[in-house]
Amino acid sequence: DTEVTQTPKHLVMGMTNKKSLKCEQHMGHRAMYWYKQKAKKPPELMFVYSYEKLSINESVPSRFSPECPNSSLLNLHLHALQPEDSALYLCASSPEAGGTNEQFFGPGTRLTVL
Amino acid sequence: EDKVVQSPLSLVVHEGDTVTLNCSYEVTNFRSLLWYKQEKKAPTFLFMLTSSGIEKKSGRLSSILDKKELFSILNITATQTGDSAIYLCSARQLTFGSGTQLTVLP
Repeated sequence: DTEVTQTPKHLVMGMTNKKSLKCEQHMGHRAMYWYKQKAKKPPELMFVYSYEKLSINESVPSRFSPECPNSSLLNLHLHALQPEDSALYLCASSPEAGGTNEQFFGPGTRLTVL
Repeated sequence: EDKVVQSPLSLVVHEGDTVTLNCSYEVTNFRSLLWYKQEKKAPTFLFMLTSSGIEKKSGRLSSILDKKELFSILNITATQTGDSAIYLCSARQLTFGSGTQLTVLP
């Protein structure tokens, strides 16, 4: 199994809703990432987990809350989002953190905040 | 602050042409430079480069890194319409360049 899966594929939510994005990989990778990508822009790193511990938080607002329940799963909890948070949210994994391995991306969750 | 700059921003060629995409970087604690291809969905990994002067090849694509001059190039020979995509480079999987939009016309 060499893929990263993400659910849901699409999500529409209001500014008062609470929702979660899910990411899963079964490649035994120990590093997992969340990126945000706006239209016609490159991915922007949000969080990096290494061995289930948060190792990088790129000054992301607290309305985004990551969670890594185990080495295969990564969640992103969303609460009180703003319309400008609408974007494609990409999850990725790599064997280790530190940028010395290839990296696999999931298909992304297209989020729309109304 | 880490910086990755790609050029050109966009490129239009005809099938059969050879293209060279550029990526320069200024990062602290550099370990690797990665190239990805992004069509309509998520980026797909192409190459990871960690050492200068060692060319990586995959079919018609090749890439090389120069750690002294802090840049990398991605070459695509005999381009096909299926090569049309955005090509992204990143330093250490953390900072991405803005991408090069490649369009290959039949």
